[in-house]
Amino acid sequence: GAGVSQSPSNKVTEKGKDVELRCDPISGHTALYWYRQSLGQGLEFLIYFQGNSAPDKSGLPSDRFSAERTGGSVSTLTIQRTQQEDSAVYLCASSLSQGISNQPQHFGDGTRLSIL
Amino acid sequence: AQSVTQLGSHVSVSEGALVLLRCNYSSSVPPYLFWYVQYPNQGLQLLLKYTTGATLVKGINGFEAEFKKSETSFHLTKPSAHMSDAAEYFCAVSESGGANSKLTFGKGITLSVRP
Repeated sequence: GAGVSQSPSNKVTEKGKDVELRCDPISGHTALYWYRQSLGQGLEFLIYFQGNSAPDKSGLPSDRFSAERTGGSVSTLTIQRTQQEDSAVYLCASSLSQGISNQPQHFGDGTRLSIL
Repeated sequence: AQSVTQLGSHVSVSEGALVLLRCNYSSSVPPYLFWYVQYPNQGLQLLLKYTTGATLVKGINGFEAEFKKSETSFHLTKPSAHMSDAAEYFCAVSESGGANSKLTFGKGITLSVRP
């Protein structure tokens, strides 16, 4: 079946521009996660959505970062006024359910974001 | 708070040799532990996981890992390396029974396999 789909696969933009990254989770997966992978910081948690509950935003690095999940499915991560330190690979993952931490997360191939 | 330590950033082995990638964790609650593999320009693929029960866990591609609570370790092994095993490997931990299963990752280890 289809896995987690992310778009675009690559994005190059100028410093100061806004960007939107999209994630389509696996059908039926209620939990959705965003992570950031960068050379200096490794893999970092950004935000977590579960059903209609309020998202866990504890990993967002600044108020320039926001995310939404419409209809419990597709999610968009938005970065406003991009900075060069935002350059990274942004990974999305989905899993089956909340409260059962042994359900593995399935990852997309990521969006490679480069800020000029 | 949880943390994962993967010592060293690069391991090189000969084809057919034993692969041993080390992972130590810190967690205030019983942990769930994972190993993921990442090939170039791809996302993370789950190799294996430990939740409860048997401490020796077998995964895909001939990999296995053993959970040792007394040593707070979850080292990954494979008896005989193959060229296709060359990739980056991440150990991760999440809270058991927690409402939020967010993963805390180690820095990753790049595995090279020499012919």
